[in-house]
Amino acid sequence: AAGVIQSPRHLIKEKRETATLKCYPIPRHDTVYWYQQGPGQDPQFLISFYEKMQSDKGSIPDRFSAQQFSDYHSELNMSSLELGDSALYFCASSLGGKAFFGQGTRLTVV
Amino acid sequence: ILNVEQSPQSLHVQEGDSTNFTCSFPSSNFYALHWYRWETAKSPEALFVMTLNGDEKKKGRISATLNTKEGYSYLYIKGSQPEDSATYLCAPSGSARQLTFGSGTQLTVLP
Repeated sequence: AAGVIQSPRHLIKEKRETATLKCYPIPRHDTVYWYQQGPGQDPQFLISFYEKMQSDKGSIPDRFSAQQFSDYHSELNMSSLELGDSALYFCASSLGGKAFFGQGTRLTVV
Repeated sequence: ILNVEQSPQSLHVQEGDSTNFTCSFPSSNFYALHWYRWETAKSPEALFVMTLNGDEKKKGRISATLNTKEGYSYLYIKGSQPEDSATYLCAPSGSARQLTFGSGTQLTVLP
């Protein structure tokens, strides 16, 4: 069965650079969530989209933005990267019930 | 975003033992309670979604109960096996579109 696809799996960026993370939800899922998990920390909810519209917003810095496109894939754009942005970024999708997670993108800011 | 507490933080049990852990959440503005199993270096795997007070769900040796009035859910593992070793996360949602994760219970099953 198709799963949630995230790309890239690993990304290394320098401070003050920009990064774009992509998430391809399970076909026909209408909701996408983004989570950030720093080293040794709980997953933190960033933002979610329902039917291509922003649904809920969590602890997402102003330097980050996200959107969901007409094909339901979502992108998380991160600008002016800081060392503290180094984390595992998970995307999940759901159709009103269980959320299924992607493998995550590990971002390292150096 | 809801305040979620899971206890204990970590747990070591012997193979064959049964165990349980707790997820506590605010009982107001409750929509659903999700349980996830998260093995190291893998993405979280959904175990259960529960919405109704008194719900009980079962998947093999793992089961869960839900009390929305008092704001808690229990996860039970019967006859623990080494492959059950993982972090178990609960995530209540106050709306259909947001999950707030607890810090998890890290279970280690010793052979």
